[in-house]
Amino acid sequence: AQSVTQLGSHVSVSEGALVLLRCNYSSSVPPYLFWYVQYPNQGLQLLLKYTSAATLVKGINGFEAEFKKSETSFHLTKPSAHMSDAAEYFCAVRSPYEDMRFGAGTRLTVKP
Amino acid sequence: EAGVTQFPSHSVIEKGQTVTLRCDPISGHDNLYWYRRVMGKEIKFLLHFVKESKQDESGMPNNRFLAERTGGTYSTLKVQPAELEDSGVYFCASSQSHQETQYFGPGTRLLVL
Repeated sequence: AQSVTQLGSHVSVSEGALVLLRCNYSSSVPPYLFWYVQYPNQGLQLLLKYTSAATLVKGINGFEAEFKKSETSFHLTKPSAHMSDAAEYFCAVRSPYEDMRFGAGTRLTVKP
Repeated sequence: EAGVTQFPSHSVIEKGQTVTLRCDPISGHDNLYWYRRVMGKEIKFLLHFVKESKQDESGMPNNRFLAERTGGTYSTLKVQPAELEDSGVYFCASSQSHQETQYFGPGTRLLVL
């Protein structure tokens, strides 16, 4: 069975600082991995996805994530946080022919 | 191109009442999914349609929930009768094929009092 664990329900960074949101997954077969973002009062928006091509995936708004099979991780990073990055971020895993499983979400706060 | 839309955006009902949520997928997307997020917990899968057929409804909580997708276009999710624990945000998503990216709607925030 597949599952996702997001470490830290809340993360706070200063504007301009590194953003690191952690995600570990469990899957019996090579998975597809996703990061979605939800801005206040909006739906989920796809940030980036890993589908067994390059292990370093670049997404929108300067975010990227690296698939590390040995660590079963897919952490999301951004070199320099912006106030507009404040949102809730969800990591998700989907194995072929299975439904999507989401983590509990990490709320990112950016301090001026 | 219009994205996934959901109606209503918010619904407040009393326990025992009926509520129907609607989802309009992106045009041409055969796959439609319903998810639910309860009180800050993880987003959980409810069911998956391929055109008008239910491909997987393993996530439906109980028989008070009924989903339909007549004609393979929009879908409705009816809760009858609603209970307090049904409160949460109901998301709909669609994709061209099951292997492709799922695009999410803004969600319907349901509060059962």
